[in-house]
Amino acid sequence: LAKTTQPISMDSYEGQEVNITCSHNNIATNDYITWYQQFPSQGPRFIIQGYKTKVTNEVASLFIPADRKSSTLSLPRVSLSDTAVYYCLVGLGYQKVTFGIGTKLQVIP
Amino acid sequence: GAVVSQHPSWVICKSGTSVKIECRSLDFQATTMFWYRQFPKQSLMLMATSNEGSKATYEQGVEKDKFLINHASLTLSTLTVTSAHPEDSSFYICSADLGGGNQPQHFGDGTRLSIL
Repeated sequence: LAKTTQPISMDSYEGQEVNITCSHNNIATNDYITWYQQFPSQGPRFIIQGYKTKVTNEVASLFIPADRKSSTLSLPRVSLSDTAVYYCLVGLGYQKVTFGIGTKLQVIP
Repeated sequence: GAVVSQHPSWVICKSGTSVKIECRSLDFQATTMFWYRQFPKQSLMLMATSNEGSKATYEQGVEKDKFLINHASLTLSTLTVTSAHPEDSSFYICSADLGGGNQPQHFGDGTRLSIL
């Protein structure tokens, strides 16, 4: 199972762009990179998934360099409601994955 | 979008009671479901992989006789915590795979289990 490393916490002011980077040096060739958001007492919520280069959806962008050993989740113009823990996972959906400690994002008014 | 539903969302019971938690995929069939446990201020820890029609695969250190998993249909997996004790109090979360190699797992909203 690919191990991931993320910063434990980050603070950001409202309206700023937030970039959270995840390292996954032993990512396998077939692995996808998936990011989840978790609020207290709720299950993780899917944000975005990618394999290489850049992926963008209505809530975030995911940047993946050519070597795929890291990825960066970009949240544009965060609001207070984006305060949560963000997890980076590496693998395939039908396989078991290992959750790292996640990044606790605190958005400040 | 894909929805995974857990029931109940919250349960309090006396020590020694067995508690069943249901995980349903509402708009898709899930060959594989996963059960996690999360203690306060910690990350999710995988307990077991639930496969439809076969025995679950448990992670090291998880007692299979304590945490019974049944995945009898493509839309339902259940986790039964047998003879629960206060140390079993935790947040239990299930996830389901949509199928296909690159589909992400989708998670239920979790079940808060409190054993008195």
